[in-house]
Amino acid sequence: EVQLVQSGAEVKKPGESLKISCKASGYNFINFWIGWVRQMPGKGLEWMGIIYPSDSDTRYSPSFQGQVTFSADKSISTAYVQWRSLKASDTAMYYCARGQTGTIAFDIWGQGTMVTVSS
Amino acid sequence: QSVLTQPPSASGTPGQRVTISCSGSSSNIGSNTVNWYQQLPGTAPKLLIYKNDQRPSGVPDRFSGSKSGTSASLAISGLQAEDEADYYCAPWDDSLSGVVFGGGTKLTVL
Repeated sequence: EVQLVQSGAEVKKPGESLKISCKASGYNFINFWIGWVRQMPGKGLEWMGIIYPSDSDTRYSPSFQGQVTFSADKSISTAYVQWRSLKASDTAMYYCARGQTGTIAFDIWGQGTMVTVSS
Repeated sequence: QSVLTQPPSASGTPGQRVTISCSGSSSNIGSNTVNWYQQLPGTAPKLLIYKNDQRPSGVPDRFSGSKSGTSASLAISGLQAEDEADYYCAPWDDSLSGVVFGGGTKLTVL
């Protein structure tokens, strides 16, 4: 079964760092993009960016450039998004999704990781 | 504020046909294909339509997509209670060099 399984919910304080993961299984991890999408409480979907695990080619949304860092470990078919210094405004659900080359249609989604940043 | 415009809400009764619009510009819908996503309450989004009008395996043919110029539409025929969800359009945007999501449309089945 093709699936993406994300790491569990996190509760952090402002200024702390965080790295959440997205483990792929059931397909060749290096042949598809992995995208990250933010959904703030009660709000719509926001595209954060994508990474191509084969060569770590990365594209960031202007809104997230410099705020997060994407990475991927081909040896364990896992993608990551990392924050160096969290803010309360980073509180949101974060989804990873598999992106088809060309259309960047996200056909497989992870279950989401809820990140809460509060003092 | 998204560069794509969707109506915030839509509604219909069971069995009806409803249409959700997505208006963009030459840098997104006008020059790229459109994907649509369905997000049921409390769940992750799901790909509903890709490349303007293609349905992934398992998506009922009650769902259809179309595109004309800088606008796209999602149509749902034979509306069912289980279709109550948020719907998002999402093309690539050449100016932003990334995917853009519409603001989302909340569909209510009356």
